[in-house]
Order: sequence, then structure tokens, then C-alpha cells
Amino acid sequence: AQSVTQPDIHITVSEGASLELRCNYSYGATPYLFWYVQSPGQGLQLLLKYFSGDTLVQGIKGFEAEFKRSQSSFNLRKPSVHWSDAAEYFCAVGPFSGGYNKLIFGAGTRLAVHP
Amino acid sequence: NAGVTQTPKFRVLKTGQSMTLLCAQDMNHEYMYWYRQDPGMGLRLIHYSVGEGTTAKGEVPDGYNVSRLKKQNFLLGLESAAPSQTSVYFCASSYSMQSEQFFGPGTRLTVL
Repeated sequence: AQSVTQPDIHITVSEGASLELRCNYSYGATPYLFWYVQSPGQGLQLLLKYFSGDTLVQGIKGFEAEFKRSQSSFNLRKPSVHWSDAAEYFCAVGPFSGGYNKLIFGAGTRLAVHP
Repeated sequence: NAGVTQTPKFRVLKTGQSMTLLCAQDMNHEYMYWYRQDPGMGLRLIHYSVGEGTTAKGEVPDGYNVSRLKKQNFLLGLESAAPSQTSVYFCASSYSMQSEQFFGPGTRLTVL
């Protein structure tokens, strides 16, 4: 069955430090891959997506992610974290067969940023 | 251009009561979705629609019904609310099967 695993429930980094959030998926073929961010009390906003082509994807707010087929991973990175990056981050995989745009979401990683 | 809006933002129900959550989008999207978000579980798809007049079940459809009478609106109904339905509900829409889903701000529902 398709699944998404985000191994880290909480991560705390200092402002200015680099960040990597992990995402692993289970799927028979190459899926579409997404990272969303949710600020407190808000809906989800798309950071970036991978459909095909270059495996290093640039997104908004200085984020990037790298698709590694051999590791079934799509880790999110940022070279220098800002206090405003504190939020919850969700990795998602989809769509799947059946003709509809179904996404499977990971459980999320909550990021705290220390000044 | 408001994007995806949800009504209401908060609601408290007693067990057995009914209510309807309204989702509206002004982007002319064909696809609309209802998710619930629970701590430690990410978002789970309740129901979705691939166009006006169509609906289908997602991962966790039990206890919910939906309707898509107009392309821009997607309603989620709880006929007899249960405490297990306490959650944050998100509506989303997308243009096509492969495109980005746009999310509303959410509705926080508490069932006592």
C-alpha cells in the first residue's frame, strides 16, 4: 500500500542554521511528490512539487527538495532558517490509480526555530 | 480572488447534532476535496469530487456525506455528530488530477 513517512515529529533549529526534513514514501512507481507548509491556524500552502525531470526542485521561501529514487526519499532543505519558518511541514505523495487526484500525507514535522 | 473559503471557522456540537460545512472556491476548479486533520496523522481524505454533480469516497468517509450541486461549492455534512469527529476540517480544490491542491483555512469542530 502507498504510504508516506516523516520520521521526525519535532525538530528544533537555531535561526540561521541549515535544515533538512526527511520524507520517505512507499509506492511502486515514481509518484508526484509535494511539500506543504502549515503555519499556526492556517491552511496548507504548497512549497514545491516534483513531477519529473531534474531531481532537485526549487520552491518558494528559499526551500528546495531532492528526489532520490534509490532511497524512495524526497527530503526538504533550506540553507539558512528564519524565525518565520516555524510551522508544520507535510510531505505528500500522489496521485494514484483510479483517475483521481488523491494525495497521501505524512504525519507532519513540526519545526521550532530558536533565536 | 478569495481562493478557497470555508464556513464556519469554529463550531461546537453536542453528540447527535447535525451540521453542514461549506467550502467555496472561485478558481473554476473541477476537483474538490474534504480532509480531516488529527494530531500525528496528517491529513486524511474524507470525500472528493471530480466535477459538478459527482462525489466519491476517500479514506475515511463513514459518518459524513457530501454534495456538489454547483461547481464552486462542496458541502460536507455530519448527520449525527460523534466525539470521534472532533477534528480540523480542510477543504481543497485543484484544476486537474496532477495540479496543485489549494487549501482553505480550515474549520475547527468540537463534538461534546
